[in-house]
Amino acid sequence: DIQMTQSPSSVSASVGDRVTITCQASQGISSWLAWYQQKPGKAPKLLIYTASSLQSGVPSRFSGSGSGTDFTLTISSLQPEDFATYYCQQANSFPLTFGPGTKVDIK
Amino acid sequence: QITLKESGPTLVKPTQTLTLTCTFSGFSLSSSGEGVGWIRQPPGKALEWLTLIYWDDDKRYSPSLKSRLTITKDTSKNQVVLTMTNMDPVDTATYYCAHRISDGAFNIWGQGTVVTVSS
Repeated sequence: DIQMTQSPSSVSASVGDRVTITCQASQGISSWLAWYQQKPGKAPKLLIYTASSLQSGVPSRFSGSGSGTDFTLTISSLQPEDFATYYCQQANSFPLTFGPGTKVDIK
Repeated sequence: QITLKESGPTLVKPTQTLTLTCTFSGFSLSSSGEGVGWIRQPPGKALEWLTLIYWDDDKRYSPSLKSRLTITKDTSKNQVVLTMTNMDPVDTATYYCAHRISDGAFNIWGQGTVVTVSS
């Protein structure tokens, strides 16, 4: 199985801050990586697929990069509605696996 | 517009079998490339992928749960059914079904259904 790790596990930030979350795969997954946002009591929402493709309707302040084993999700200017938990997921091979999540909360 | 909705029992007893149904609209699971997966999330924990079924009836399972899981589809009813046997309290979680795009991500999720395993 491909193990996914994320760092940090949590980050405190202010509105307007630039936030970067990293995700690392235990083996190379090319660009087969997705990022999701989840708010309490809600289903995850797809933000980014194939590492850097922005899902339709997602604000352009979200961006993704990376390939192989190392990936990043960047929020260029944090907005109040962005406080949530973010998960990465590898789609390279079965079993599909998710990272442990990164919680972004208010500083 | 694609939508999915999970349904099933909210409470099951240990050792019982859980059956959840995902009813969807906006796509056909008989169309090439389409897939529906199940993902669960224990309270306060991370997401865990369980299983996936494709339009051609190809099925994939989490190795750690494979012996307990069965996924089937009914294209005439636009439904996908998840069966999980021998339920245990550690299986208490929110269970989601989701539409899988060809690039491997899950682009549309159901609202989730909370399943509690307790005697």
